[in-house]
Amino acid sequence: AQSVAQPEDQVNVAEGNPLTVKCTYSVSGNPYLFWYVQYPNRGLQFLLKYITGDNLVKGSYGFEAEFNKSQTSFHLKKPSALVSDSALYFCAVRDIAGYSTLTFGKGTMLLVSP
Amino acid sequence: DTGVSQNPRHKITKRGQNVTFRCDPISEHNRLYWYRQTLGQGPEFLTYFQNEAQLEKSRLLSDRFSAERPKGSFSTLEIQRTEQGDSAMYLCASSVGAVNEQYFGPGTRLTVT
Repeated sequence: AQSVAQPEDQVNVAEGNPLTVKCTYSVSGNPYLFWYVQYPNRGLQFLLKYITGDNLVKGSYGFEAEFNKSQTSFHLKKPSALVSDSALYFCAVRDIAGYSTLTFGKGTMLLVSP
Repeated sequence: DTGVSQNPRHKITKRGQNVTFRCDPISEHNRLYWYRQTLGQGPEFLTYFQNEAQLEKSRLLSDRFSAERPKGSFSTLEIQRTEQGDSAMYLCASSVGAVNEQYFGPGTRLTVT
């Protein structure tokens, strides 16, 4: 079975500081990995994905994520946080061979203070 | 491209009643997914369609739940004999193929009283 762990329920960071939201995964084969963001009263919005290739993936709104196969991690990062980045972030995984559906983590609330 | 739309946005129903939700995916997206999200949790997969064929159903999808996607366009999710435990946000998503990212609608919030 595939699974995702987001070990932090909440991450607090000051505006202008770098941020990291952690994600680890478990799949039987090779993973496809995704990050989504959810703002209040809005649907999930796609941020970025890792399919294959470079381990550092760049996405929307200045976010990036680093795929680390040995540590089975896919942490979300941004060099300089904005107050408007405050939202709920979800990591998701699917196995390349086998499950065709996404498994999501429980989410991490990011709070960026002015 | 108007995005994924879902109707209604909110539904309050009494226990034992039937409810039906509709999802209109992004045009030309051949895959359509249904998820359920409860407070403090990530979306949980319910079922998905490739065109009009329902290819996979989660064990979360009890026999009170049924989904259709006639003609491979919009989809409906029906819950019969609703229970209080069915209260949740029901999310629809669509994608082009299996590899690409899924685009989510705003969801339908169901409250069963």
